[in-house]
Amino acid sequence: QVYLQQSGPRLLKPSQTLSLTCVISGDSLSKNKNAWVWIRQSPLRGLEWVARAYYASQWYFHYGTTVQGRAMFEPDTPRNQFSLQLNFVTPEDSGVYYCARIKVDTLNRGIDVWGQGATVTVST
Amino acid sequence: DFVMTQSPVSLSVSLGEPASISCTSSQSLLHTDGYNYLDWYVQKPGQSPQLLIYLGSNRASGVPDRISASGSGTDFTLKISRVEADDVGMYYCMQGLQSPRITFGGGTKVEIK
Repeated sequence: QVYLQQSGPRLLKPSQTLSLTCVISGDSLSKNKNAWVWIRQSPLRGLEWVARAYYASQWYFHYGTTVQGRAMFEPDTPRNQFSLQLNFVTPEDSGVYYCARIKVDTLNRGIDVWGQGATVTVST
Repeated sequence: DFVMTQSPVSLSVSLGEPASISCTSSQSLLHTDGYNYLDWYVQKPGQSPQLLIYLGSNRASGVPDRISASGSGTDFTLKISRVEADDVGMYYCMQGLQSPRITFGGGTKVEIK
């Protein structure tokens, strides 16, 4: 059984940096083909993909349009965890952030494991 | 980006009755490999989303066979043949064809009448 354990809620002021961590158990971060994602949910934007990474001889990173240039996906293979750093947050970055796994073997089998979510509030 | 539109926005169903949710994509989700890159998720109250269906019609592990999905190209449907109390929640479709730029539908709220 694969589990993803996320760090707790965050309260930030505008322009600060958000840092979230997701600890993996039951799978390996650098296992080929599986991808790891951050997805957030808010009343404003619904479910929104934020960042994605996968390892295939090297790491590949992708970021959503609303966080491009501000976000960094940080894999930590020795600790089997990954983090999201988001700089210069605004109130529009508020929401519940989920880490998750996209299961890929011979086929893309969907986002089959989700973390429990971490509430992020950005407010003055 | 692909725009995903779900209908209805909410659905009130009696126990034991069927339910159906539609999802329409702004562009075809049919890949050259023959699969439709469309998933369905349910988010039960107070929980994270969970996978129901992947690649258009494949049930995820543990999903009962009273839940099924169909469709191809731009039009997809999720069906629950007999609604149970445990089915209450928000249902989302998601396109994966434009991966990594996945996008979700706005959701359909299913409640018991």
